[in-house]
Amino acid sequence: DTAVSQTPKYLVTQMGNDKSIKCEQNLGHDTMYWYKQDSKKFLKIMFSYNNKELIINETVPNRFSPKSPDKAHLNLHINSLELGDSAVYFCASSQNWRTNTEAFFGQGTRLTVV
Amino acid sequence: AQKITQTQPGMFVQEKEAVTLDCTYDTSDQSYGLFWYKQPSSGEMIFLIYQGSYDEQNATEGRYSLNFQKARKSANLVISASQLGDSAMYFCAMRPYFNDMRFGAGTRLTVKP
Repeated sequence: DTAVSQTPKYLVTQMGNDKSIKCEQNLGHDTMYWYKQDSKKFLKIMFSYNNKELIINETVPNRFSPKSPDKAHLNLHINSLELGDSAVYFCASSQNWRTNTEAFFGQGTRLTVV
Repeated sequence: AQKITQTQPGMFVQEKEAVTLDCTYDTSDQSYGLFWYKQPSSGEMIFLIYQGSYDEQNATEGRYSLNFQKARKSANLVISASQLGDSAMYFCAMRPYFNDMRFGAGTRLTVKP
């Protein structure tokens, strides 16, 4: 069983479209994240959620809207896609916000905007 | 805000030799965790090793060990007996309590046969 799974793995879409990436974890963790990895491999935190509540929003454009229906799921919806949104998006989870334990990552979603 | 620095964009090592990947960090937090992740060419992020800021012993996991020097704020990863499968990007990360995990820019390790 995959601990953190995100779908789809690849997403190719045109500028201006709206798309969603889904993420689910079966680890019983309280905290979930979205990271963006750019073409230079730099990983940047986008959002952090703890028990469905938004904890951190790192100056991400409001075209990006995360949704957490329950603590096992954190989806990312992106409106009006732009060329600069092309990247690999990783979902991750960790035990809870109060600890500094490791995060487990999904396999990533490679988003290409054309 | 915390900052993590990996000064080696690329490293080469001969198979079966040991290699050290450097990581320094800057934080005003007293309690934090330090981590190393491996990202092979297939793209997934694999957790390797964890060190707590109050741990007195350096962490070890199989061929991986973390050389933690708190006063110098460094958390270098040592890989012993390198294997061809160790070729990958390696990321150092830090996470204080009540905060998220931030990453360094990564080091690309190439193991030569």
